[in-house]
Amino acid sequence: DQQVKQNSPSLSVQEGRISILNCDYTNSMFDYFLWYKKYPAEGPTFLISISSIKDKNEDGRFTVFLNKSAKHLSLHIVPSQPGDSAVYFCAASQYGNKLVFGAGTILRVKS
Amino acid sequence: SQTIHQWPATLVQPVGSPLSLECTVEGTSNPNLYWYRQAAGRGLQLLFYSVGIGQISSEVPQNLSASRPQDRQFILSSKKLLLSDSGFYLCAWNTGTSTYEQYFGPGTRLTVT
Repeated sequence: DQQVKQNSPSLSVQEGRISILNCDYTNSMFDYFLWYKKYPAEGPTFLISISSIKDKNEDGRFTVFLNKSAKHLSLHIVPSQPGDSAVYFCAASQYGNKLVFGAGTILRVKS
Repeated sequence: SQTIHQWPATLVQPVGSPLSLECTVEGTSNPNLYWYRQAAGRGLQLLFYSVGIGQISSEVPQNLSASRPQDRQFILSSKKLLLSDSGFYLCAWNTGTSTYEQYFGPGTRLTVT
């Protein structure tokens, strides 16, 4: 049972424009959500997170939005840069410790 | 600052051979430790986690095992590798009292032939 889904395997965006990566979840008990960025042959790097008591969290060019009623979150990157090209993973947690990851979305930022 | 190490970086092993992957964390005490696997084109699958020395929780039944002989050392093992064990193995840590973020090591690429 896939509790965290990233339905878009890939996304291509022009440099300077907005990148929007989406994630859906099924477990209403998830209380914390995270986004990770991963380059090939490297470990994922933590980007940004959001608690279920919030609907938005912003950190520089990265903003995460949470819609609990729709069980949906999204990551916005503005403006997109070529160095943002990577695989982005959405993850969710219930009561800490264990993270459930989505399958990832490959972002390509074209210059 | 905290750092996490994994070795080896790459490994090619024949089917039926044993496996030992090591992960160590520096700069923190009593971390929670995790082993994940990323199969080709797939997300990250949690294999094992540990909240303390000798305490291992298994998430997925398989021919892999994990051990934590020291506070900041986490080992992933197998007695006999299968072709399906190929993948990218990642170790991660966080503190017991932190928020939910986990911090990952550089990973080990395992190819079973």
